[in-house]
Amino acid sequence: QKEVEQNSGPLSVPEGAIASLNCTYSDRGSQSFFWYRQYSGKSPELIMSIYSNGDKEDGRFTAQLNKASQYVSLLIRDSQPSDSATYLCVKWPGGGNKLTFGTGTQLKVEL
Amino acid sequence: GAGVSQSPSNKVTEKGKDVELRCDPISGHTALYWYRQRLGQGLEFLIYFQGNSAPDKSGLPSDRFSAERTGESVSTLTIQRTQQEDSAVYLCASSPGTRSSEQYFGPGTRLTVT
Repeated sequence: QKEVEQNSGPLSVPEGAIASLNCTYSDRGSQSFFWYRQYSGKSPELIMSIYSNGDKEDGRFTAQLNKASQYVSLLIRDSQPSDSATYLCVKWPGGGNKLTFGTGTQLKVEL
Repeated sequence: GAGVSQSPSNKVTEKGKDVELRCDPISGHTALYWYRQRLGQGLEFLIYFQGNSAPDKSGLPSDRFSAERTGESVSTLTIQRTQQEDSAVYLCASSPGTRSSEQYFGPGTRLTVT
């Protein structure tokens, strides 16, 4: 099992809908997570971080972390065509450990 | 500077030549990372520098790859005797350190080996 698993997609949603991006991980223990957005041909851009169980909201984005079930998700409300990108789920064990990147889910928001 | 910078933005080289890629992290960031991203693929970790600690080189794919960092500033990634499979975008990222590992990426160097 990969350390961080994501469905590669593409996930297609209509404009204005809620996009739900999911990620599962192995290796129980204290984990923090980041969501990065990567537009085609561009470098990844940090959009959300979540360090504890529960939900964290920032504008149209909500990150959810469930350590018991070992999954993390990103919800994008009122999806816009400009949200079309690949979303990377990233695990951080904490301390001086390096990040582990998932392979990303491609999101397409259609008019 | 305001963000992570990398140079050159594009590099075309002949197979067998050596190349050197440069990364300038955000000022004050103690951690620096190099990644490789092949076309249509995910990020592949190469090497990690944290302050004055010994670097984590566990991601370097072969001994043709090496990297250096002077203190908490500039880093260079060197690829010797380049091969066509080295063609990729090489991304550098920096972070404030271990208290918060949020990484900020540079624009990348696109390497093409012909």
